[in-house]
Amino acid sequence: KAGVTQTPRYLIKTRGQQVTLSCSPISGHRSVSWYQQTPGQGLQFLFEYFSETQRNKGNFPGRFSGRQFSNSRSEMNVSTLELGDSALYLCASSLGGGETSNEQFFGPGTRLTVL
Amino acid sequence: AQSVTQLGSHVSVSEGALVLLRCNYSSSVPPYLFWYVQYPNQGLQLLLKYTSAATLVKGINGFEAEFKKSETSFHLTKPSAHMSDAAEYFCAVSKRAAGNKLTFGGGTRVLVKP
Repeated sequence: KAGVTQTPRYLIKTRGQQVTLSCSPISGHRSVSWYQQTPGQGLQFLFEYFSETQRNKGNFPGRFSGRQFSNSRSEMNVSTLELGDSALYLCASSLGGGETSNEQFFGPGTRLTVL
Repeated sequence: AQSVTQLGSHVSVSEGALVLLRCNYSSSVPPYLFWYVQYPNQGLQLLLKYTSAATLVKGINGFEAEFKKSETSFHLTKPSAHMSDAAEYFCAVSKRAAGNKLTFGGGTRVLVKP
């Protein structure tokens, strides 16, 4: 079974631009979560999508948004990029659903550099 | 709000020695608890998880962790370190509710000396 894939793996943008990152979950997984990893703030939860609906949201500004498609693939978008948005963005998928300790499988991440 | 504290951002151990990584959480209700490992330029891999079954949890690669409610701790151990254990380790918690929001500790980078 293929793992979680994220594209692109590396991205360089300039301040003020916008960016879209893509995540393809493991086949059969309906939940996709996004995390931001930086040296200063560590790993922080952005949001989770389950069956095309945002189920949980972290404390990030509205410039960060996401969506999920009917095939469970997810995209996240960051508008008006700032230098502080430089980070490794990790996507994780899980079966989802119910009050259960769904194991999350992480992708390799997209390294975003904002100049 | 939940929080996770990992004591020590860097740990250095000799090959063959005990690995002990400390994790304490704050939560009014025992949460789900996880340990993840991250190798350079890679995503996170689950080592083990606690979900309210046995308090001593065994994971992959010889790691285990013990849930102690009275101490709100979930420390990770491995009896004998191997060079391949050099990586960053993250403790994480999630609420016992629908959804997959993980709250992570700051991470502990492990260096293994030959």
